[in-house]
Amino acid sequence: DSGVTQTPKHLITATGQRVTLRCSPRSGDLSVYWYQQSLDQGLQFLIQYYNGEERAKGNILERFSAQQFPDLHSELNLSSLELGDSALYFCASSVDKTGELFFGEGSRLTVL
Amino acid sequence: GENVEQHPSTLSVQEGDSAVIKCTYSDSASNYFPWYKQELGKRPQLIIDIRSNVGEKKDQRIAVTLNKTAKHFSLHITETQPEDSAVYFCAAGFSGSARQLTFGSGTQLTVLP
Repeated sequence: DSGVTQTPKHLITATGQRVTLRCSPRSGDLSVYWYQQSLDQGLQFLIQYYNGEERAKGNILERFSAQQFPDLHSELNLSSLELGDSALYFCASSVDKTGELFFGEGSRLTVL
Repeated sequence: GENVEQHPSTLSVQEGDSAVIKCTYSDSASNYFPWYKQELGKRPQLIIDIRSNVGEKKDQRIAVTLNKTAKHFSLHITETQPEDSAVYFCAAGFSGSARQLTFGSGTQLTVLP
């Protein structure tokens, strides 16, 4: 158990819909990262938050947004979903001084 | 930004043989190089990492080497076992700040019994 909690574990929805994925980082970790992993693909960095503020942005679509709340949990919002958005979405947290990422179990999104 | 290339994409070895996975990176400022193992349907987990002030690091059957001049680093697994079968990802980044890690595309390692 990495200490990073993601919900839901599985989500099936239809094209055009909107979903929210939730992540609770390890206790004490201020940074939260979101990664997308499509079938047989690597880990594509989407966005990072540090103590409530956006710190870095990767290949995140305009249809996607995220935020980190005062209690440090984070949410990734995916809207106007397309078939190609089907993927495993990982949240990770880190202690900045070491850089090590601790991943959650992921949220598997299926868009039909 | 940082760009990490990883080779090979697939690797099959006989049980007991060694496996080597290689990565190159582009940003000379990167100083933290972790390797993650991802079993099928599971989350990536850190197996070993190395920082730029060290050339080699070992942990039992796994080792990582770093050549900062050439900007490449490698993962070595000796005496491979079937449970080593997984996807391995290298990454490069900057430890000590909130900068994100850039991952390689992954290597599917299969250890044949």
